[in-house]
Amino acid sequence: AQTVTQSQPEMSVQEAETVTLSCTYDTSESDYYLFWYKQPPSRQMILVIRQEAYKQQNATENRFSVNFQKAAKSFSLKISDSQLGDAAMYFCAYRGGTSGTYKYIFGTGTRLKVLA
Amino acid sequence: ETGVTQTPRHLVMGMTNKKSLKCEQHLGHNAMYWYKQSAKKPLELMFVYSLEERVENNSVPSRFSPECPNSSHLFLHLHTLQPEDSALYLCASSQDFTGGPQQTYFGPGTRLTVT
Repeated sequence: AQTVTQSQPEMSVQEAETVTLSCTYDTSESDYYLFWYKQPPSRQMILVIRQEAYKQQNATENRFSVNFQKAAKSFSLKISDSQLGDAAMYFCAYRGGTSGTYKYIFGTGTRLKVLA
Repeated sequence: ETGVTQTPRHLVMGMTNKKSLKCEQHLGHNAMYWYKQSAKKPLELMFVYSLEERVENNSVPSRFSPECPNSSHLFLHLHTLQPEDSALYLCASSQDFTGGPQQTYFGPGTRLTVT
């Protein structure tokens, strides 16, 4: 069975600095997708970034980028130039690549605090 | 907040009450989901609907009863709940339930407290 582990329950970063959130996963599949979702306080969860396992190039979305290490089964999220609006719970999620596999396997989340 | 809406946002109910959570999506999606989010636990998938048909019931107790009258609306009917059912209940939708890289859109959730 697949598992997703976020070992940092809480992280803090100074505004304008860079922070990296860790995520490791375990799977025997070769084809899969990885996601980072952001859940601000009292607001809905939104997709931050996604990575296809078959792509070697790390995904980037503006200030957000990932470090995808397939062999190490690691999928960390880097937030550059942190802003107050980045404060939220961040969830790492795995989804298998088999057609019809709609289930996510979520981690327990990392709460990110941004200090002014 | 647009896309997926949920009402009420907060709900306090006694163990003998009956209440319903409502979800509506304005995205034209065909798949809708109920998730339970408890503190320090991963999100738990409860139910999946595709084109108003239930695709999955993830071993959820019968005190939770979903209803999907059309592809835009999803309800979760609650009765005789237990205190451990207190959690944030998230509704979500996606284009379909084939998974892959497609994004799931979440609602803001209903914070449920069972007293």
